[in-house]
Amino acid sequence: GAVVSQHPSRVICKSGTSVKIECRSLDFQATTMFWYRQFPKKSLMLMATSNEGSKATYEQGVEKDKFLINHASLTLSTLTVTSAHPEDSSFYICSAEGASSYNEQFFGPGTRLTVL
Amino acid sequence: AQTVTQSQPEMSVQEAETVTLSCTYDTSENNYYLFWYKQPPSRQMILVIRQEAYKQQNATENRFSVNFQKAAKSFSLKISDSQLGDTAMYFCACLMDSNYQLIWGAGTKLIIKP
Repeated sequence: GAVVSQHPSRVICKSGTSVKIECRSLDFQATTMFWYRQFPKKSLMLMATSNEGSKATYEQGVEKDKFLINHASLTLSTLTVTSAHPEDSSFYICSAEGASSYNEQFFGPGTRLTVL
Repeated sequence: AQTVTQSQPEMSVQEAETVTLSCTYDTSENNYYLFWYKQPPSRQMILVIRQEAYKQQNATENRFSVNFQKAAKSFSLKISDSQLGDTAMYFCACLMDSNYQLIWGAGTKLIIKP
């Protein structure tokens, strides 16, 4: 149980385009979802926290107009990188927490974004 | 500010040996949870073990055990009978009861040699 999927696993796009990444909890209802960014050989950096049906809470320094997060249902959250630039290239990971997760986050497999 | 520190950037041991990864944290809160996550080359984050701060007994999961020293704010991970599949990045993380956000350590790269 407690499986989280992400789609796509890899995406390459041109500079200036927008990219949407989906995060789904497959077998539980995710009351809270988290979006992280991970640079090579570094730890996870929390970008934002989202609760179903409400606006996401962004961490300091994360541009909410650039990284649009939508948590429309208890099983789906999306991260849209708008007008992507090469510096947005990174590994993006989502995680989800359910009402009975006992404070444990379940992680998706990540999405590798490359902006040319 | 709450912080998690992993002082070993990289460790390497022979297969079947025992290895201990260190982690210290800093918080003024009483209620928190501690985790060790494994990130293999596939980059999928996998929970290895968790410890609730209010529990005195050290958590164990098969070959994985922790040494939780609350007063010293230390949370080390011991891997016994290490296997090649244990090769991965290991992250220590702390979740505070007040904001439910994971605070991450910098990670330790563990290499198990055949």
